[in-house]
Amino acid sequence: DSGVTQTPKHLITATGQRVTLRCSPRSGDLSVYWYQQSLDQGLQFLIQYYNGEERAKGNILERFSAQQFPDLHSELNLSSLELGDSALYFCASSVYGGSTDTQYFGPGTRLTVL
Amino acid sequence: GENVEQHPSTLSVQEGDSAVIKCTYSDSASNYFPWYKQELGKRPQLIIDIRSNVGEKKDQRIAVTLNKTAKHFSLHITETQPEDSAVYFCAASGDSGYALNFGKGTSLLVTP
Repeated sequence: DSGVTQTPKHLITATGQRVTLRCSPRSGDLSVYWYQQSLDQGLQFLIQYYNGEERAKGNILERFSAQQFPDLHSELNLSSLELGDSALYFCASSVYGGSTDTQYFGPGTRLTVL
Repeated sequence: GENVEQHPSTLSVQEGDSAVIKCTYSDSASNYFPWYKQELGKRPQLIIDIRSNVGEKKDQRIAVTLNKTAKHFSLHITETQPEDSAVYFCAASGDSGYALNFGKGTSLLVTP
């Protein structure tokens, strides 16, 4: 157990819908990262937050947004869902969010879009 | 941006043999190189990492080597066991970005 928690574990929804994925970092970690894992694209970085502020952006679609709250938990919002958004979504956390920080991954949320 | 290439994509070894997985990266500013093990449907778990100020790091049966000049790093697993079977991912991050850029993964199968 890494200490990073994610809810829900599974999510099944229809195209065009909107969902919210939630992540709580390890105690003491200030930075949260979101990654998408699909069979054809591997593990892709989406976005990083540090202490409530956006720090880095990766291949995140405009239909996706995220935020980190004062209690440091983070939410990833996915809207206008398409079949291709079906994937495992992982949250990771690290202490300071620096380039050499160890990142610890949560158990993931499996999203299925029908 | 950073591009990480990983080889081989699949690797099958007999129990007790060694396994080697190699990665190359493109961004010379990269300074952190972790390796993750992922079992089916589970989260990536950090197994070892190396920072650019060292060339080699070992933890029991697992070792990682880094060649900054050639921009490649490798994972070595000795005395493999069936429970080592999983997908292994290399990654790189550095000053040009805080995120981890992952290789495509190596599916390792250790047969008894």
